[in-house]
This record gives sequence, C-alpha cells and structure tokens, in this order.
Amino acid sequence: NAGVTQTPKFQVLKTGQSMTLQCAQDMNHNSMYWYRQDPGMGLRLIYYSASEGTTDKGEVPNGYNVSRLNKREFSLRLESAAPSQTSVYFCASSPQGRPGNTIYFGEGSWLTVV
Amino acid sequence: QKEVEQNSGPLSVPEGAIASLNCTYSDRGSQSFFWYRQYSGKSPELIMFIYSNGDKEDGRFTAQLNKASQYVSLLIRDSQPSDSATYLCAVSFGNEKLTFGTGTRLTIIP
Repeated sequence: NAGVTQTPKFQVLKTGQSMTLQCAQDMNHNSMYWYRQDPGMGLRLIYYSASEGTTDKGEVPNGYNVSRLNKREFSLRLESAAPSQTSVYFCASSPQGRPGNTIYFGEGSWLTVV
Repeated sequence: QKEVEQNSGPLSVPEGAIASLNCTYSDRGSQSFFWYRQYSGKSPELIMFIYSNGDKEDGRFTAQLNKASQYVSLLIRDSQPSDSATYLCAVSFGNEKLTFGTGTRLTIIP
C-alpha cells in the first residue's frame, strides 16, 4: 500500500520553464491537496480538490494550475517557473465526510528554480 | 484571515522530561485540531487530533484543547531523542481544509 506518491522527488528548473508535479493516491480518498512549505512560513495550501472533477484555490494559487485527472490523480503545473516558487511541495489526500478529516501526505517534491 | 500561531523555537528539553508545545488560533468557529510531527527532510505525520474541550491522551502524548481561550497544546511525557522534530499545529475551520502553524522545532537533549 503506497499511500500518496509524488513525482519527481527533486527537480531543478530554469526561470520560465514549465513542469508538472504528479500525485497519485491509492486509499480511495475523495479529497486531494497541494501544499508548499517554505522556511518560516509553514505549510500553505495552493489548491485542493474535494472530489473528482472539482478544484478550488487555496491560500497561494497564483502561478499554479491543477488537474484532477481522476479519483486517484491530482497534478500541479507550473506554467512559467519563477525563483519565488522554489519550495518543497507536498501532495496530500483525505477521506471525505466530516470536517477536519485526517490528511495524509506524500513524501514531498523539492523544486529549485534558478 | 484565519491564523494559527506557534512559537518557532527551538525548544530544548532534557531527555525524560515533559515537552510542552503550544498553539493559538484566531477563529472561534474552529472545529478540529491536529498535531503533526515532521522530521527534517520528511513529510508531516499525524500524531493526534482533538475535537472537544479537555485532554486527550495517547501513550506519551496528551493534547489539550481550550476553546474559550483559543489554544491547543501538546504534551510529550518522558521525552526521547527520537521526539526531536518540528511539531505542526493544524486547525480546521469547518471544512476539510487545514490551516497550519509555522511549527515549533523541538530538540531533546540526551
């Protein structure tokens, strides 16, 4: 049982390049999330998807797009990477049904934009 | 803006002592409260959650919630070097989205 799987684990981009972070979960969870974590800033929500076919902006959505491809997969795309997007990105998922359900995190993706 | 605040630390505690971690939140409508532990270079993992006022115990960990004062705390008894990590407080404001504090870095001194 892999839980939440993210790829790639490490990536270096040049300013202006695009890339997609992939995320898949095998726990049959309805809700999925993308967070970024920066020193001193904690975890901040970029986008989330409450169910297949729906996505909503979180706290810091600018510069990102997401796709909920199916129930298992939720991808995050940087169309034109900027140095300010250097961060650790975590995908997460949770079962749906009541407020504040436990969320489970993937192992993280370390992204550096130069 | 809904806020969750934690002292960033570092908090140093001798091995075997009690570590006390605190978190305050801004929205009185908050419903669910979580403590996550994050080792350096790893993803956060859930330690405990609490919904009701009072204490909730799980092994060496006790979560305490005081909704009137808008704070939640985590006590770690008999602290071990393996408890050295960053502890993240997270609050749900009535939906599935969690808002995280910036975390408190805890170091257990052997």
